[in-house]
Amino acid sequence: IAGITQAPTSQILAAGRRMTLRCTQDMRHNAMYWYRQDLGLGLRLIHYSNTAGTTGKGEVPDGYSVSRANTDDFPLTLASAVPSQTSVYFCASSAGGPNTGELFFGEGSRLTVL
Amino acid sequence: GQNIDQPTEMTATEGAIVQINCTYQTSGFNGLFWYQQHAGEAPTFLSYNVLDGLEEKGRFSSFLSRSKGYSYLLLKELQMKDSASYLCAVMDSNYQLIWGAGTKLIIKP
Repeated sequence: IAGITQAPTSQILAAGRRMTLRCTQDMRHNAMYWYRQDLGLGLRLIHYSNTAGTTGKGEVPDGYSVSRANTDDFPLTLASAVPSQTSVYFCASSAGGPNTGELFFGEGSRLTVL
Repeated sequence: GQNIDQPTEMTATEGAIVQINCTYQTSGFNGLFWYQQHAGEAPTFLSYNVLDGLEEKGRFSSFLSRSKGYSYLLLKELQMKDSASYLCAVMDSNYQLIWGAGTKLIIKP
């Protein structure tokens, strides 16, 4: 593994189902983030974690939850998926901590909720 | 509210120069960032400006004017591989990144 790995790459999901997007980094970065990217809109922050054991809400947290049990892993869970959660999800981390904007992104998870 | 504006799409010719503008209105300012994103791929960091002026990095340069809430990304000697979306982002007073919707740059031979 080099950098940030996300899984799955792509998923089609029925509305109402639970889904966890996985994110693992091997760079030992403290800060990690989940964004969604929708056509015509900028990246929107869902949740973030400044360090292992802590999480915070971003701009669009409703319907999503995260956990940060250790430095490397930062999974994003949709408890009951809805069609408006159809999007491309990017996990990211930053080397300099939460106050730096140089982020390293995973390759994205394309989620379609029907 | 906080807002980042950049053109939706631009077209330029291989070998030419293109300037992508970004204007912003945010609650505080802790730096402006440019990212490149090829279609279907992850964004990658290009540049960071926190003081006024021009930062040059090879064929790419980024300019910032904090008093005008304005930045531009200048790409010289355009290559076909520069076809991508360019994302402008500003870090606000809470150290949250506010992202523009991106400018899709199309390079023609």
